[in-house]
Amino acid sequence: EGQLVESGGGLIQPGGSLRLSCAVSGFSVNISYMTWVRQVPGKGLEWISVIHSDGTPYYADSMKGRFTISRDNSKNTLFLKMTSLRVDDTAVYHCARGGTYFGMDVWGQGTTVTVS
Amino acid sequence: DIQMTQSPSSLSAAVGDRVTFTCRPSETISSYLNWYQVKPGTAPKLLIYVATLLSNGVPERFSGSGSGTDFNLTITNLQPEDFATYFCQQSYALPLTFGGGTQVEMK
Repeated sequence: EGQLVESGGGLIQPGGSLRLSCAVSGFSVNISYMTWVRQVPGKGLEWISVIHSDGTPYYADSMKGRFTISRDNSKNTLFLKMTSLRVDDTAVYHCARGGTYFGMDVWGQGTTVTVS
Repeated sequence: DIQMTQSPSSLSAAVGDRVTFTCRPSETISSYLNWYQVKPGTAPKLLIYVATLLSNGVPERFSGSGSGTDFNLTITNLQPEDFATYFCQQSYALPLTFGGGTQVEMK
């Protein structure tokens, strides 16, 4: 079915940058739609970005210009580069397979980003 | 953006109960509605996609219904492992949006 493992989170000061990674196994990142979603502890889920199989990215308005989604097909890895981080970007960041009409069917456990 | 409203925000139930909760998008989304189960410290789990289809490995006590602007998730014979928070998500248009969640607590 596949497995996703996120890494790269941590404590960062406001205005700083981080790059999150999502190591993919069991399927190919380049033929799948791949999505980043975040969750503030105790609150809801927020969609961040999706990259389509053809490489086209889409972003939530609040992340546009600050976050960049990308993938490395040779490493079968998805990335999220985050810049100009704000306190309200503090969350657990999940990668997921999907982001089309049919939902996101494989999720990683998440990596925690704390902006403080 | 399509706003997703879930109700109730929480409910108390006992093992064996049948529970139903609702998700209402701010505009019609055809059947492009998905349901997820979230437990603290674990990855979200896709339960239902395209309003009524059961995701792989999900028990048949979970069912989804609805279309347009009114959707339901029903759990029959509630099990101990079902106490969690449930989120709906529309996949009709970008940006993808989630509801605020319904927390199912043990009575």
